[in-house]
Amino acid sequence: SQTIHQWPATLVQPVGSPLSLECTVEGTSNPNLYWYRQAAGRGLQLLFYSVGIGQISSEVPQNLSASRPQDRQFILSSKKLLLSDSGFYLCAWSVSRQAEAFFGQGTRLTVV
Amino acid sequence: SQQGEEDPQALSIQEGENATMNCSYKTSINNLQWYRQNSGRGLVHLILIRSNEREKHSGRLRVTLDTSKKSSSLLITASRAADTASYFCAPLSDYGQNFVFGPGTRLSVLP
Repeated sequence: SQTIHQWPATLVQPVGSPLSLECTVEGTSNPNLYWYRQAAGRGLQLLFYSVGIGQISSEVPQNLSASRPQDRQFILSSKKLLLSDSGFYLCAWSVSRQAEAFFGQGTRLTVV
Repeated sequence: SQQGEEDPQALSIQEGENATMNCSYKTSINNLQWYRQNSGRGLVHLILIRSNEREKHSGRLRVTLDTSKKSSSLLITASRAADTASYFCAPLSDYGQNFVFGPGTRLSVLP
């Protein structure tokens, strides 16, 4: 069966520090991968999506970047965090652009 | 992008009552999906309805789709406190960016 792992679950980072959040998927090949951010009590903002290794599309220009070094690995990064980067980050995958999406449990990031 | 807009943004009902939430979208779709998010967790897929279907049931869930009005509704019957969550719709098509979620409907079921 397919599973998605996202870590860490919580993270407190100082302003100006780097960030690396990792998401891995097991049990499937060539998934579509997604990174979202969610502010408290708000909806999901799509940040990046990827249809294959090295293929990253950015939905919103910002202080973040994403990479897909392996087929089932999706990494969200920042060189210098801002206070506004705080939020709940979710990774998701789907077998195709119209199939059911499966979400990780999320990372709660607090930038202080 | 294919984004659904859920309505109302917040809904509060008593346990045992039915909850109805709506989703509107702007372009033609192949299917529409509903998801639930419990506080502090990831989204969980609830149900998918295809564009050639008008109604679909799954347990206490009933979803309708009206492609002429570009709208869908999710009905939860005999609600329980455990149904308290945010609910999101995702209209999906062959074109544009899929899985762009709206603000969701925050459902509170009071015991």
